[in-house]
Amino acid sequence: QQQVKQSPQSLIVQKGGISIINCAYENTAFDYFPWYQQFPGKGPALLIAIRPDVSEKKEGRFTISFNKSAKQFSLHIMDSQPGDSATYFCAASHIKAAGNKLTFGGGTRVLVKP
Amino acid sequence: SAVISQKPSRDICQRGTSLTIQCQVDSQVTMMFWYRQQPGQSLTLIATANQGSEATYESGFVIDKFPISRPNLTFSTLTVSNMSPEDSSIYLCSVRRGGNYEQYFGPGTRLTVT
Repeated sequence: QQQVKQSPQSLIVQKGGISIINCAYENTAFDYFPWYQQFPGKGPALLIAIRPDVSEKKEGRFTISFNKSAKQFSLHIMDSQPGDSATYFCAASHIKAAGNKLTFGGGTRVLVKP
Repeated sequence: SAVISQKPSRDICQRGTSLTIQCQVDSQVTMMFWYRQQPGQSLTLIATANQGSEATYESGFVIDKFPISRPNLTFSTLTVSNMSPEDSSIYLCSVRRGGNYEQYFGPGTRLTVT
């Protein structure tokens, strides 16, 4: 019940296109959903996060959509750029749980072609 | 956010030896975590480093293999003991401030065991 399933595993998109990454969770107690961006040789960087009291959050070209009833959330990268080529991880946690540990998805490798 | 540094950034070690990885944060944090990331894989939580007390280990990780210290609110170490090639991985320090559920990662330590 702690799993977070992420898809697709990899994604190729043309410059200017939209990258869409989906995550599904099982634990209904999860109430914090961050996305991380990781470049090769670097640590994951917090990109954007959402709480279940809103259905969408936008920061620049990055948008999280959240569907509480379906237990799914997704990251949309608008106007994708070659510099967005990275691995993206979704995660989820229960804020008030002891230790408040993040459960990570398997990751999506995004390649933006110029 | 938080500025996190790790030492060493990478190392190549012989089988049977031990390596201690240091994590330094630019300001006090409540929670410190250690993760392992095998090549091309997602992040796996090793343990939560507790200040002034024993670390809390996740299933599959034990103190004898991965002893952790956290002497204060800005510093922690992870030791990988009696290394084998299977320990080759990236080890990541991560922190969270009190009253905030945003979690940040260090740059990682790339360990190769020969």
